[in-house]
Amino acid sequence: EAAVTQSPRNKVTVTGGNVTLSCRQTNSHNYMYWYRQDTGHGLRLIHYSYGAGNLQIGDVPDGYKATRTTQEDFFLLLELASPSQTSLYFCASRPGQQDTQYFGPGTRLLVL
Amino acid sequence: GDQVEQSPSALSLHEGTGSALRCNFTTTMRAVQWFQQNSRGSLINLFYLASGTKENGRLKSTFNSKESYSTLHIRDAQLEDSGTYFCAAANYAQGLTFGLGTRVSVFP
Repeated sequence: EAAVTQSPRNKVTVTGGNVTLSCRQTNSHNYMYWYRQDTGHGLRLIHYSYGAGNLQIGDVPDGYKATRTTQEDFFLLLELASPSQTSLYFCASRPGQQDTQYFGPGTRLLVL
Repeated sequence: GDQVEQSPSALSLHEGTGSALRCNFTTTMRAVQWFQQNSRGSLINLFYLASGTKENGRLKSTFNSKESYSTLHIRDAQLEDSGTYFCAAANYAQGLTFGLGTRVSVFP
């Protein structure tokens, strides 16, 4: 199965802090995604990308930036973290439009 | 509005029994993906279906795109089947749209 890695696995920051979450896949997948998971909301799409240099806005983008620096690497940036961004963040990738999405292990972020 | 409705929200099963989980879509979706989320929070891929039925061990899933629903059947439930099961609708390049999940508890 395709492997997606995320780092860090756990992160604690303070309100107003600057956080970068990293995601890497080494399967040459074109599409990469960032989701957040919150109780009562399930998983929701933040940003996604078709390939290096491309960025698309998801359903809950406010307060987040993203950057796809290479085919393999997709970053999620929180420049002024707020407690409402405390969540479990998942990265995912897939080869093409009609394929299974493969998820990373998740990053737990706590904003104090 | 909500596009993916999962039912039931919770389910208790005795080992060796089975049940079905359902996912209804309020709009036409191209495909469905099913996951199990374990106690550590990891999302485990179960099925990806654009149509028809797939089976893997004690799990079977069906996607009826015309009537906009999908089902996941668990048979001969084991303790390790406990967890939260999510269905997610796929629509081309956009990300998945997830339901709120079904929490499954399997008891000895």
